[in-house]
Order: sequence, then C-alpha cells, then structure tokens
Amino acid sequence: KQEVTQIPAALSVPEGENLVLNCSFTDSAIYNLQWFRQDPGKGLTSLLLIQSSQREQTSGRLNASLDKSSGRSTLYIAASQPGDSATYLCAVSPYPATDSWGKLQFGAGTQVVVTP
Amino acid sequence: EAGVTQFPSHSVIEKGQTVTLRCDPISGHDNLYWYRRVMGKEIKFLLHFVKESKQDESGMPNNRFLAERTGGTYSTLKVQPAELEDSGVYFCASSRRTGSSGNTIYFGEGSWLTVV
Repeated sequence: KQEVTQIPAALSVPEGENLVLNCSFTDSAIYNLQWFRQDPGKGLTSLLLIQSSQREQTSGRLNASLDKSSGRSTLYIAASQPGDSATYLCAVSPYPATDSWGKLQFGAGTQVVVTP
Repeated sequence: EAGVTQFPSHSVIEKGQTVTLRCDPISGHDNLYWYRRVMGKEIKFLLHFVKESKQDESGMPNNRFLAERTGGTYSTLKVQPAELEDSGVYFCASSRRTGSSGNTIYFGEGSWLTVV
C-alpha cells in the first residue's frame, strides 16, 4: 500500500531564504508525482508535474526533483517571498495509469510561512 | 475559461440529514474526480468518472455516499444520511482525457461540510 509522507509538517522562514520541502513515498511504482499549492480556504493549484521517467522539473523559482528508486521528491523554492506562504502538497499517481493517472495519493502537506 | 466550480462552498447540516454537493468541471473535461479531506487527515480519493461512467469508485467510504454524473457534464455527490465523521472538505477535480499521463488536473475550491 502506497504511503506518502511530507516532512516537515510546518516551516517558517524569513523572506529571501530558499525553501526545501520533502516528500517520500513507499512504493516506487508511480506514474508521476505532482506538487500542489493550497491557500487557506482555496482549492489546489498544480505547481509542477514530474513524469516517472524524469529527474526534475522547473518553473520560475520552483524546482522539483524526483528520485523514484529511493522514493523521494524535493521541492525547492528559491528566494522565498511572503506570497509563497501556503500549504504545499505532493501527490503520486499509481502505475499502471491507463485512465487512472488522476487517482492521486496525497501527503499531508507542509504548511509554509514566509515572514517579511 | 471557467475553472472547476463547486456548490455549496459551505454547508452545515444536522446528523441524519441529507446533503448534495455539486461540481461543474471545466468544459470539455471528460475526467471528473471527487476527493475529500477530513480533519487531520490527508486528501483522499473518492471516485473517478470518465464522462458519465464510473471508472473507479474504490475510495467511496460506504453506501451512504452516492455520486452521479448524468449526461457526462456536472456531477453530484449525495451524502444520506450524514454522520459526524463526514465533516470535511470535498474537492472536485477535472482533466482532459487524451491518453497522455501529463495532463494537468484542475481542482475546485472545495465544498466545506460540517455535520453537527
């Protein structure tokens, strides 16, 4: 049974510091891994999607790496800003994924606060 | 383009009552998913529609939950009768169905259900 764990559960950093968020999963047979952002009272916004064959994805200040063999992904946010304050969730898709890649298994999330 | 919309955004009902949650996916998205997050737990998959057909309902907790997607457009999730442990946030998500595993999945802002 797949288990997805995110450490730490909460993180507070001063503005300008780099953020490092960790996600681990127990079953390496995944189809892809996604990182989401959730603002209080809002839905989930997809940040980055990494296919199982990829090692990393980048978008602006965000970079996500994937080491499928060790069951780990890391989300890096460079030069954090107060607007980055949110909960960040990782989620994995099962394999095989014919029509089922949207059946995501989520971690509990990391709550991030960036102080001015 | 409108996003995934959910109604109601908040609902407070008494134990034993019935609640119906509605989700309007993004136009043209054949895949529709329901997820929920109960207090202190991870977001959990409930079920997956492809058009009007239930592709996977393995996450539905019990027979008090009934999901429908008549005509393959909007979907409803009915809880009858509601129990205290049903309190939480119910998310709907949708995506295109093109055979690719790289499609983005779009989440609604959730329907916050409180059973008292």
